[in-house]
Amino acid sequence: EIVLTQSPGTLSLSPGERATLSCRASQSVSSTYLAWYQQKPGQAPRLLIYGASSRATGIPDRFSGSGSGTDFTLTISRLDPEDFAVFYCQHYGSSWTFGQGTKVEIK
Amino acid sequence: QLQLQESGPGLVKPSETLSLTCSVSGGSISSSSYYWGWIRQPPGKGLEWIGSIYYSGSTYYNPSLKSRVTISVDTSMNQFSLKLSSVTAADTAVYYCARASWSSGYLDSWGQGTLVTVSS
Repeated sequence: EIVLTQSPGTLSLSPGERATLSCRASQSVSSTYLAWYQQKPGQAPRLLIYGASSRATGIPDRFSGSGSGTDFTLTISRLDPEDFAVFYCQHYGSSWTFGQGTKVEIK
Repeated sequence: QLQLQESGPGLVKPSETLSLTCSVSGGSISSSSYYWGWIRQPPGKGLEWIGSIYYSGSTYYNPSLKSRVTISVDTSMNQFSLKLSSVTAADTAVYYCARASWSSGYLDSWGQGTLVTVSS
């Protein structure tokens, strides 16, 4: 079973700064099956990135995904006040697996 | 626009069976392009996949929950359901239903979620 480990646990940044979130898989995975989600308090998760680097419909281009093998990254180029939330990576293989999440909070 | 809506009791007693239904509108549950799944989130914690079903009825369950989970689909009603047996307080969570891409597994549409509390 694939285990996804996200780091850091919490990222404290100011609006306008760049956010870099990491997702590491316990073994090499296909980038086709790696996705990222954003979750705000009281809301369902929202798909941001699929296939490691493709933005979902309606997602601003300040969000980008990259990586391959065991190391994947979600980058938010310039944080907007509405971007502060918890972010999860997810892998689809023989089952669906989520990372434990990274909280991006206002510094 | 696809919409998913969870429904079911918000309070379940320990040792009983949790039952939820997800009603799908704005799209067909019989599409060959998607799985339909359940994910839960205990208060203040992360996301846990429970299981998924294909329109044909093929099911896929989280190994850690497999012995207690049953997911079924009703294509005539355009809905799918979750049953989780022998619940304990550890099963208290917000339960989400979602649609997953058959080819890549990403979850592109989610219900709003429903809180289920296990308590006597």
